[in-house]
Amino acid sequence: AQTIHQWPVAEIKAVGSPLSLGCTIKGKSSPNLYWYWQATGGTLQQLFYSITVGQVESVVQLNLSASRPKDDQFILSTEKLLLSHSGFYLCAWSRDWVQDTQYFGPGTRLLVL
Amino acid sequence: QQQVRQSPQSLTVWEGETAILNCSYEDSTFNYFPWYQQFPGEGPALLISIRSVSDKKEDGRFTIFFNKREKKLSLHITDSQPGDSATYFCAASANTNKVVFGTGTRLQVLP
Repeated sequence: AQTIHQWPVAEIKAVGSPLSLGCTIKGKSSPNLYWYWQATGGTLQQLFYSITVGQVESVVQLNLSASRPKDDQFILSTEKLLLSHSGFYLCAWSRDWVQDTQYFGPGTRLLVL
Repeated sequence: QQQVRQSPQSLTVWEGETAILNCSYEDSTFNYFPWYQQFPGEGPALLISIRSVSDKKEDGRFTIFFNKREKKLSLHITDSQPGDSATYFCAASANTNKVVFGTGTRLQVLP
């Protein structure tokens, strides 16, 4: 069975500080990977997707970057946090492409002060 | 900006009633429409999906009705249960790896 983990579970960070969020998928080789951001009470905004190691496509510019250093790992980061980065960050995977079922992780709650 | 709109923003029904959630979109290239269910503090989970070649999809108590000409969908939840209380998102994608999520409908089912 496939499992998806996200770390950390929650973070409180200062404006201007760096950030790194992680996501690991176990039990599935070469998955498609996705990052989403969700404001409190809001909709999901797709941020990035990756179909293979080392390749990441940006969907929307939010002063964030993503990398896929390993087949099963997806990293979201920024060097300088903004207040607007607060929210719920979700990682997801699918077998092939976005029109396959996407399985979401438990999310990371981020509060920027 | 590709948009997917949902209505109502929130909906309250009694246990056993049918809840109807609406979704509309603008981009005619969208051809895949998943519906996700999200409980507070959790990631969303796929509930049911439909492709634009179909006009109806059923899975147990959940049914999607799709009107391609009007660019509208609806999710019907029959025999609603308190455990169905959650936020429901309609999403849409074309033949790419990008997906647009709707604004969401918060459903409350009262016992």
